[in-house]
Amino acid sequence: EAQVTQNPRYLITVTGKKLTVTCSQNMNHEYMSWYRQDPGLGLRQIYYSMNVEVTDKGDVPEGYKVSRKEKRNFPLILESPSPNQTSLYFCASSLEPESAYGYTFGSGTRLTVV
Amino acid sequence: DAKTTQPPSMDCAEGRAANLPCNHSTISGNEYVYWYRQIHSQGPQYIIHGLKNNETNEMASLIITEDRKSSTLILPHATLRDTAVYYCIVRPSLSNFGNEKLTFGTGTRLTIIP
Repeated sequence: EAQVTQNPRYLITVTGKKLTVTCSQNMNHEYMSWYRQDPGLGLRQIYYSMNVEVTDKGDVPEGYKVSRKEKRNFPLILESPSPNQTSLYFCASSLEPESAYGYTFGSGTRLTVV
Repeated sequence: DAKTTQPPSMDCAEGRAANLPCNHSTISGNEYVYWYRQIHSQGPQYIIHGLKNNETNEMASLIITEDRKSSTLILPHATLRDTAVYYCIVRPSLSNFGNEKLTFGTGTRLTIIP
């Protein structure tokens, strides 16, 4: 089944403890992106990647890092999480700009930083 | 990026057609109109997209006005499972190749009434 898989689905952590949220897609998509969703603010892009080893900042990149060493994986790294990073996170991928199927999103990761 | 305006909420009776409007009066000639929906806190789901012509797929129809300043998403026979937040998004075509960001607004919360 074609899908974007995020792990974990839920995570509670403490301030300052490094964590990684994994994202993997099995559709050979070139484009991948991370979003966070907060009440009243909608979905905001954190980072995106056009292809392997090509990444760039989105609208809210502060406090996050990403890497794209392989086409299928695009992990989101929080080096020193803070409570304001408590949010619902989504990874998404797309084959090409005008893909007939648009972006495919993962099921989300709900992160709580205490 | 062009911005979109959608009503915050709508109701529709089960089995009837749900018509969701979107205003994108500042859309430029190379920008597509995309529709996504998000059921509860799941990942957004692609529905349909178009440039100038009306489009139809197995999920919905998209009607774009001749001046492209507005569009309507039509769910022909709404079911309870169509209750979700629907997002209308405009994004550049390949001619503005670069970030594949999808800018989500606040969307329309559609409630299907039994």
